[in-house]
Amino acid sequence: GNSVTQMEGPVTLSEEAFLTINCTYTATGYPSLFWYVQYPGEGLQLLLKATKADDKGSNKGFEATYRKETTSFHLEKGSVQVSDSAVYFCALSLADRGSTLGRLYFGRGTQLTVWP
Amino acid sequence: NAGVTQTPKFQVLKTGQSMTLQCAQDMNHEYMSWYRQDPGMGLRLIHYSVGAGITDQGEVPNGYNVSRSTTEDFPLRLLSAAPSQTSVYFCASSYLTGSYGYTFGSGTRLTVV
Repeated sequence: GNSVTQMEGPVTLSEEAFLTINCTYTATGYPSLFWYVQYPGEGLQLLLKATKADDKGSNKGFEATYRKETTSFHLEKGSVQVSDSAVYFCALSLADRGSTLGRLYFGRGTQLTVWP
Repeated sequence: NAGVTQTPKFQVLKTGQSMTLQCAQDMNHEYMSWYRQDPGMGLRLIHYSVGAGITDQGEVPNGYNVSRSTTEDFPLRLLSAAPSQTSVYFCASSYLTGSYGYTFGSGTRLTVV
């Protein structure tokens, strides 16, 4: 089946620390991969995406590389800020027909807290 | 601004009451869906639609109904509210190709007492 596994939180870091949130996936086809961010009291926002192997998505200092050989899409940021405190979700979608068409499969989410 | 609009933002219901959560999008997205978010459970798919007149069940459909009479609107109906339906509900839409990702609404926080 199709699924996403991401590291459990919470993750607590000091400001300017390096961030990695691991994400691996299982998919029956060739997925597009996404990271979403949810700030407190808000809906989810698309942070970055990659649609094929070896693509790198990037936004707001965050990066993730689509690794087909390891079925991974780890989220990284070189220097986190207090404003990065949020819940991060990894997700995949498949463009094939049938019941998976259009659907996003989400991981459980990882809570990140950054202290000043 | 283009996006997904959910109403209401907050709602308190008594057990057994019914209500409709509204969702509208203005991006001409074919795909629309409803999720609930509960602590420690992540996002769980309730119902989804791939176009007007077409709906299907997700992972947790019991107690909820949907319809899709237009491309823009995808309301979620709670038939007889139960405390187990206390949750935050999100509507999301996207193109069917899947490579663009979802656009989410800001959520409805529902409490059933």
